[in-house]
Amino acid sequence: GDSVTQMEGPVTLSEEAFLTINCTYTATGYPSLFWYVQYPGEGLQLLLKATKADDKGSNKGFEATYRKETTSFHLEKGSVQVSDSAVYFCALRAYTGANSKLTFGKGITLSVRP
Amino acid sequence: GAGVSQSPSNKVTEKGKDVELRCDPISGHTALYWYRQSLGQGLEFLIYFQGNSAPDKSGLPSDRFSAERTGGSVSTLTIQRTQQEDSAVYLCASSWTSVSNEQFFGPGTRLTVL
Repeated sequence: GDSVTQMEGPVTLSEEAFLTINCTYTATGYPSLFWYVQYPGEGLQLLLKATKADDKGSNKGFEATYRKETTSFHLEKGSVQVSDSAVYFCALRAYTGANSKLTFGKGITLSVRP
Repeated sequence: GAGVSQSPSNKVTEKGKDVELRCDPISGHTALYWYRQSLGQGLEFLIYFQGNSAPDKSGLPSDRFSAERTGGSVSTLTIQRTQQEDSAVYLCASSWTSVSNEQFFGPGTRLTVL
């Protein structure tokens, strides 16, 4: 079945540090890939997405590139801020015609200190 | 317009009691999803509605769990004879159609079974 694997957390960084959060997936066919973010006390929000190989999703300074050859969708940001502290979830959607449910990774907590 | 809303935001119940969780999707969204977020299991898909029908119930963990959707809008997730392992945050999401790439999430209902 479909699955998403995220690197273990939590991650603690200093402000302005470089961020990489690894995500790899297993799916049949060509899924769409997503990063969702959950800020403290808030609901899940879509951060960025990519729908086909070599697409790059970007938003709020975050980027992720859909790599079919390595089945990966790693999240990066060049300079993190305290406000980026949140839980980050990698997800895939493998549309089968009957359902387009999201399959999530376990999430990783990012804490950014001033 | 309003986002996805869920009620109650918190529910504490005793083991063995039944609970109902409500989801109001974004107006016009035909697809509706229920997910569960728990410490041990991460984010798991429960059930998907297209209109009022549920073509995929594969994520419901037991026959104690059921859900319905009426008028192509509001959905109710019912858990009968609650158990402590049902304690989790129950998330609802909606999207324009089942092939839409973005699912919009509600704030969730935190269920605690004592």
